[in-house]
Amino acid sequence: EVRLVESGGGLVPPGGSLRLSCAASGFAFGSYWMNWVRQAPGKGLEWVAGTKRDGGETYYADSVKGRFTISRDNAKNSLYLQMNSLRVEDTAVYYCATGEYYFYYWGQGTPVTVSS
Amino acid sequence: DIQMTQSPSTLSASVGDRVTITCRASQSISSSLAWYQQKPGKAPSLLIYAASSLESGVPSRFSGSGSGAEFTLTISGLQPDDFATYFCQQYNGYWTFGQGTKVEI
Repeated sequence: EVRLVESGGGLVPPGGSLRLSCAASGFAFGSYWMNWVRQAPGKGLEWVAGTKRDGGETYYADSVKGRFTISRDNAKNSLYLQMNSLRVEDTAVYYCATGEYYFYYWGQGTPVTVSS
Repeated sequence: DIQMTQSPSTLSASVGDRVTITCRASQSISSSLAWYQQKPGKAPSLLIYAASSLESGVPSRFSGSGSGAEFTLTISGLQPDDFATYFCQQYNGYWTFGQGTKVEI
């Protein structure tokens, strides 16, 4: 069974940092492109960042470029999102998702709240 | 950036209805379009990719059509389990989602 389990979310003040993790199991993690997608409360979906199979190339939405860093450890079947200089508008549920084009496996999400 | 616009934002329907949701791209995206279903408090799930290809395990009452810049998702014979929010997503240039269509009773 494919499982993606996010962790690391929580409450952080504006300007703070947080590191999200996504633990994968049930599939060949290293063979898949991985992404982070977020959803602000009551809002739609926003792709945040993506990384190729070997982590050699990474891509970011303009809204997070320069502040967030996506990385992966294929030996540990894990995906990460380092989030720095957090803003109130970064408040959202953050999902990890597989896929280079469309996203076919999703985790259950981890909530991030940026507030003073 | 490619913008995706869905209509309507909310759709009221009854069990057994045929429902159509439209998604328009700000430029041509060929057939690089996916549809997702999301229920409250849950992650989205993939329904359709490449505009009209049904994901494995998705009921055949769901269908997608279109190419270029205009696409539709059709649910033929709405079931109680189908009341949810639906999102389109383009993957022709990075990845962007529509704002969602809530299908409610």
